This record gives sequence, structure tokens and C-alpha cells, in this order.
Amino acid sequence: QVQLVESGGGAVQPGGSLRLSCAASDFTFSSYAMHWVRQAPGEGLEWVAVISFLGDKKEYADSVKGRFIISRDNSRNTLHLQMDSLRAEDTAIYYCARDGYTYGLSYYFDWWGQGALVTVSS
Amino acid sequence: SSEVTQPPSVSVVPGQTASITCSGDKLGEKFASWYQQKPGQSPLLVIYKDDKRPSGIPERFSGSSSGNTATLTISGSQALDEADYYCQTWDRSVLFGGGTKLTVL
Repeated sequence: QVQLVESGGGAVQPGGSLRLSCAASDFTFSSYAMHWVRQAPGEGLEWVAVISFLGDKKEYADSVKGRFIISRDNSRNTLHLQMDSLRAEDTAIYYCARDGYTYGLSYYFDWWGQGALVTVSS
Repeated sequence: SSEVTQPPSVSVVPGQTASITCSGDKLGEKFASWYQQKPGQSPLLVIYKDDKRPSGIPERFSGSSSGNTATLTISGSQALDEADYYCQTWDRSVLFGGGTKLTVL
């Protein structure tokens, strides 16, 4: 059973930074692209970023471009999201999600973590 | 930018068929996926590539797509199917619909 466990969430003031991590297990992490998807309280899903299985290609939603950086460590089966210049509108549950293809990019998400709550407030 | 639209809510009587639509420009030319999310839980993939069902998803869940509309159909709806459902596609970026709350009356 695929497992994705997020950590690093918490409360931060506007303008601050936070780094989320996602520990993957029970599958070959290095074979899959990985995504971050967020959900503001009471709202729908919003895709945030994707990183290719090798880590050489990264894409971002316009709402986070220039402020967030996605990265991965295939030796440690870990995905990261560095979030800088945080705004109140970044408040959300952040999910890491596995892409549906091996060695490619499908842009659908076949496994999701339980999420990490990020609250940006003064 | 592109967007996909879902009805905010759909109601169904237990045992009947529920259909949830997702509309977007030329959506039938792109792949659509569907996710189920129950309160306090993470989303769960129920349909991918328009009509493919992941292992473990009941056969009563099916998908179709044509023209500008993708449709999730739940045949023989059960109380445990009550949830929010999100469609999702890709058009230069990942797009999610706003979600549809399915109520099983």
C-alpha cells in the first residue's frame, strides 16, 4: 500500500517561510513524478506544483510561481515544498500526491497523503 | 485561462443513478479524472483517463466524456457515496472543477 506522509505544516506570519516534506514508502519513489495540491478551508482543490521523477523538470501554478520551490531527494524518498513570502491566501491543507504514470507525467493523481495544514496569519 | 465547471450539488435517491457533469472548452479532447473526497479525508481517485477505474473502486463508478462535457456516473448509489466529487483535467496547467456535493437522500 502506497504511503505518503506530509510534515512541516504550522502557523506562520505573512511574509514568512515554511518547508513542507512528504515521506514516501511502499513504492519506487524515484519512478514517479510528484505533485503538491492544496485546499483552502471549506474550498476546492488547487494544484500547486509538480516535479518530474528525475527532478529535472518543475512546473508551478501562477499563484505560487516565484515564491514556492518544489524539490525531491530520491535517495531519501522525500518530496519537499519550500514556501517563501507566504500570504494569507496560502492558508490551506497541502497534500502531496503521486502522479499516475511511471517515468512520465500524466497530470492525474493516483495516491494522496493525509495533508499538512499551513496557516498564514498575523 | 481555461476552467472547468461543475454543478455545486446533486441529489440522488439510494439505489438510483447519479450523474455529475464537468464542462469545459473541448474537454472531450483532453483526459478527465474524478476524485471523491469525504469530510476530513484526502481525495481518492475514482476515475482516470475519462473512463478508467483504479483497482478497488466499485464498478458502480463509471466515467465518460464527449464534446465539452465529462460525466461521472454512480449506478445504484449508496449512502457511503455521499461526498464531494471533483473533476480534473490538464490544459497548459492542471485544472480542477469547483466540486459537486453529492447527497444521497
